[in-house]
Amino acid sequence: AQRVTQPEKLLSVFKGAPVELKCNYSYSGSPELFWYVQYSRQRLQLLLRHISRESIKGFTADLNKGETSFHLKKPFAQEEDSAMYYCALYNNAGNMLTFGGGTRLMVKP
Amino acid sequence: DTGVSQDPRHKITKRGQNVTFRCDPISEHNRLYWYRQTLGQGPEFLTYFQNEAQLEKSRLLSDRFSAERPKGSFSTLEIQRTEQGDSAMYLCASSLAGGVEQFFGPGTRLTVL
Repeated sequence: AQRVTQPEKLLSVFKGAPVELKCNYSYSGSPELFWYVQYSRQRLQLLLRHISRESIKGFTADLNKGETSFHLKKPFAQEEDSAMYYCALYNNAGNMLTFGGGTRLMVKP
Repeated sequence: DTGVSQDPRHKITKRGQNVTFRCDPISEHNRLYWYRQTLGQGPEFLTYFQNEAQLEKSRLLSDRFSAERPKGSFSTLEIQRTEQGDSAMYLCASSLAGGVEQFFGPGTRLTVL
């Protein structure tokens, strides 16, 4: 069975501080992982996917198969980064996403 | 067509009543997904369609839940004999066939009294 774990429900940092949102997964196949973000009063939207290996809004995430992790990082947090962040694992067989429980990031001025 | 739309946005019902939600996907997307999200949790997959075919429905929570996509365009999710535990946000998403990025709608928030 596949599973995604986000151990922190809430992460609070000051503006300009580094941010790391943790995500661990379990999956028997080759994982395809995503980070989704939900800003206040907005819909869930894709932030980044591990295959693209790109930086979006200053965020990056590296897939570590040895540690089965896909942590989201940003070197300098901004107030507009405050949102709910969900890590998700794509299951090719079922064409479905398995989401973690989410982490609320609060960036204080 | 600027994105996935869902109707209604909010639904309050009494226990035992039936409810139906509608989802309109992005027009060129032939895959459509339903998820449920309870408070403090991430979205939980329920079912998905490719065109009008429902290809995965084993994750529907009980036989009170059913979904249709009769013409391969919009979809409906019905919950019969609602229970208080059905109170949640019901999310719809769509994607291109073969595409892994799913685009989400705003959700329908169901409250069962």
